[in-house]
Amino acid sequence: GDSVTQMEGPVTLSEEAFLTINCTYTATGYPSLFWYVQYPGEGLQLLLKATKADDKGSNKGFEATYRKETTSFHLEKGSVQVSDSAVYFCALKNNNAGNMLTFGGGTRLMVKP
Amino acid sequence: DAGITQSPRYKITETGRQVTLMCHQTWSHSYMFWYRQDLGHGLRLIYYSAAADITDKGEVPDGYVVSRSKTENFPLTLESATRSQTSVYFCASSELASGYNEQFFGPGTRLTVL
Repeated sequence: GDSVTQMEGPVTLSEEAFLTINCTYTATGYPSLFWYVQYPGEGLQLLLKATKADDKGSNKGFEATYRKETTSFHLEKGSVQVSDSAVYFCALKNNNAGNMLTFGGGTRLMVKP
Repeated sequence: DAGITQSPRYKITETGRQVTLMCHQTWSHSYMFWYRQDLGHGLRLIYYSAAADITDKGEVPDGYVVSRSKTENFPLTLESATRSQTSVYFCASSELASGYNEQFFGPGTRLTVL
């Protein structure tokens, strides 16, 4: 079946550092890919998405490119802020499986001032 | 309130008791979902519903029951709670099946089974 693998956290960075959170997936067909963010005490919010190969999703300074050849969707940000501290989830939606999402295990990011 | 709400936000219960977690959305979204979030497992789908009176099992349905008599409500019942059901539960909703539609999540219910 479909699966998503993320790097384990926590990832601890200083403010203004460069961020990469790795995400790889296994799926049949051509899934859509997503990054969700969960701030402390809250539910998940969609951060960005990409629906086909070579698409780049971007939002709030975060970017991720859908790489079909490496089945990856790594999340990057050039300069993190303390307010980016959260748990980040990579997810996929297989268009053969209705509206269901398959999530990775989540990566906790802690940004220190 | 507009959006998706869950109640209660926190619940402590005992092994063997029945407990119901409520989920309500105001967008008239067709799809609704229940997930549980556990350390090391990310989010796992328990049940989902494509429309009123249509429900289906997800990855981890055992020990849970759902119903969807109205589009806006999707309660999750633990018929006889067990310690392994201690978790954070999230409800979500989205529009009709599409490759591009976002799932909107509620704030979660933290359930502790003693």
